[in-house]
Amino acid sequence: QQPVQSPQAVILREGEDAVINCSSSKALYSVHWYRQKHGEAPVFLMILLKGGEQKGHEKISASFNEKKQQSSLYLTASQLSYSGTYFCGTGTGGGNKLTFGTGTQLKVEL
Amino acid sequence: DAGVIQSPRHEVTEMGQEVTLRCKPISGHNSLFWYRQTMMRGLELLIYFNNNVPIDDSGMPEDRFSAKMPNASFSTLKIQPSEPRDSAVYFCASSLRGGKADEQFFGPGTRLTVL
Repeated sequence: QQPVQSPQAVILREGEDAVINCSSSKALYSVHWYRQKHGEAPVFLMILLKGGEQKGHEKISASFNEKKQQSSLYLTASQLSYSGTYFCGTGTGGGNKLTFGTGTQLKVEL
Repeated sequence: DAGVIQSPRHEVTEMGQEVTLRCKPISGHNSLFWYRQTMMRGLELLIYFNNNVPIDDSGMPEDRFSAKMPNASFSTLKIQPSEPRDSAVYFCASSLRGGKADEQFFGPGTRLTVL
């Protein structure tokens, strides 16, 4: 089953913050976050591993709650360049494959 | 580094024709993944290889789809015969070791249209 992301879509004014959530029905070993701009390939943002860690990347950070089988991506002081579709990819116990979430479309406006 | 290379970038074909998509992973990467992206189903893993060996092909939709990796620098995804429902963007990605903790680098994709 695909991880479920929320919200499905969000519109921000430049400088506002946003949170994107990713929930899985399976126990997670890892969570990957990618951003895809229209007509382009997904681009890696960060990986979180089992252990409840948090990571940061510029003004984008993420958390991983192993018990709740959830991850959240935090975008602070959003910029126009943050616009795109965000995907989480989850790795579970069996094998090395990722299952990608339903995606969250984010648009940052002036 | 050139990144993951895919060809062709666009392919338009008629139903029933054979289609071959090509991928060159990043040099030194041991794992290669084929994904399909559609509006309805999102980004789906079709098959992945470790050290040129297919590890999991459970995402391959049906026997019309086949994938090969004859060497570490080349892989193909073939659809024969193609159908309109195969229309999608097909991405190839590679990673250093293929583990769940490894970043995947995506190619630019092949946009396939089957008429």
